[in-house]
Amino acid sequence: DGGITQSPKYLFRKEGQNVTLSCEQNLNHDAMYWYRQDPGQGLRLIYYSQIVNDFQKGDIAEGYSVSREKKESFPLTVTSAQKNPTAFYLCASRSGGVAYEQYFGPGTRLTVT
Amino acid sequence: GQQLNQSPQSMFIQEGEDVSMNCTSSSIFNTWLWYKQDPGEGPVLLIALYKAGELTSNGRLTAQFGITRKDSFLNISASIPSDVGIYFCAGQSGNTPLVFGKGTRLSVIA
Repeated sequence: DGGITQSPKYLFRKEGQNVTLSCEQNLNHDAMYWYRQDPGQGLRLIYYSQIVNDFQKGDIAEGYSVSREKKESFPLTVTSAQKNPTAFYLCASRSGGVAYEQYFGPGTRLTVT
Repeated sequence: GQQLNQSPQSMFIQEGEDVSMNCTSSSIFNTWLWYKQDPGEGPVLLIALYKAGELTSNGRLTAQFGITRKDSFLNISASIPSDVGIYFCAGQSGNTPLVFGKGTRLSVIA
């Protein structure tokens, strides 16, 4: 099946630990994105990458880091510097064509205590 | 960052009723997208619009790209219980990431 995979669905960590969220896509999409969603809130952009080995900060990049070493993978690390890391994290990707269609993964719910 | 004005924030309707929601922006967009999100899941793309004035349907859903390119509308006809969820609009221009509305939470009363 083609699509975007995020694992795990639920993740629990202790405060002060870094944690890496996985995002993989087999859609051959050029661009990938990470969003954060808090309860009852909209989507806020953390980081995005339009091509391998390049990425840009979104609106709320502080306390997060990413890498884009492979086209199909865009892992997000939530560092201990992120003050309120508990949230629902969504990965998305889109092709580079004229038709702008962005697709989302199923999300990872991170709980930090 | 920039956000779209999406309204209403929430709505409760009877099963079988039609639903309308909209998004407005102070900026011009080249693309409008509409998504639906179920609890605990990622948003699912419903409709994509690429041309001012364009009207596109997907089953009981119809969306329009406003003629000014600053707004878009989504209509759902004859709502059913599985239409419950949060609907997001998103606009895009140039080579910049999508800008999202804050969502419309739809509840359907059987």
